[in-house]
Amino acid sequence: GAVVSQHPSWVICKSGTSVKIECRSLDFQATTMFWYRQFPKQSLMLMATSNEGSKATYEQGVEKDKFLINHASLTLSTLTVTSAHPEDSSFYICSASSWPNEQFFGPGTRLTVL
Amino acid sequence: GENVEQHPSTLSVQEGDSAVIKCTYSDSASNYFPWYKQELGKGPQLIIDIRSNVGEKKDQRIAVTLNKTAKHFSLHITETQPEDSAVYFCAASSSSGTYKYIFGTGTRLKVLA
Repeated sequence: GAVVSQHPSWVICKSGTSVKIECRSLDFQATTMFWYRQFPKQSLMLMATSNEGSKATYEQGVEKDKFLINHASLTLSTLTVTSAHPEDSSFYICSASSWPNEQFFGPGTRLTVL
Repeated sequence: GENVEQHPSTLSVQEGDSAVIKCTYSDSASNYFPWYKQELGKGPQLIIDIRSNVGEKKDQRIAVTLNKTAKHFSLHITETQPEDSAVYFCAASSSSGTYKYIFGTGTRLKVLA
């Protein structure tokens, strides 16, 4: 149980375009979903926390107009990177939570912006 | 702010030896401490966790110890195998607010055959 999927697993896009990443909890309802970004050989950095039906809470330094998060249902959250630039290239990981403290992580999405 | 320090950053051990990774947290309200294994290009996988009301937890070759007074917790892997080679992250979470995780900086473990 507690499986989280992400789609796509990798994406390459041109600079200036927008990219949407989906995060789904497959076998449980996630009241909270988290989005992380991980640069090579670095730790996971929390970008934002989203609760179903509410606006996401962004961490300091994360541009909410650039990284749009939608958590429209208890099993789906999306992250849209708007007007992507090469510096946005990274590994994006989501996690889903239904119980206090415990988060279940997705397999990640590698974004490469040319 | 909240912080989790993790040491060492890299660790090489011979197959069959033990490996120990240590983390220290700053937020005294932290009450949940998971450990994750991350292989290249994949998402982190939970390998063991411990809550603040427990001092030690073991699952086969993996154990975690927690010292609340000193605010540190450690991962112990015994009888290491080449497939244990990966990056390991500790994290700390508080029951207040959003239960968000503060991750350590990671330890790259290499098990030499």
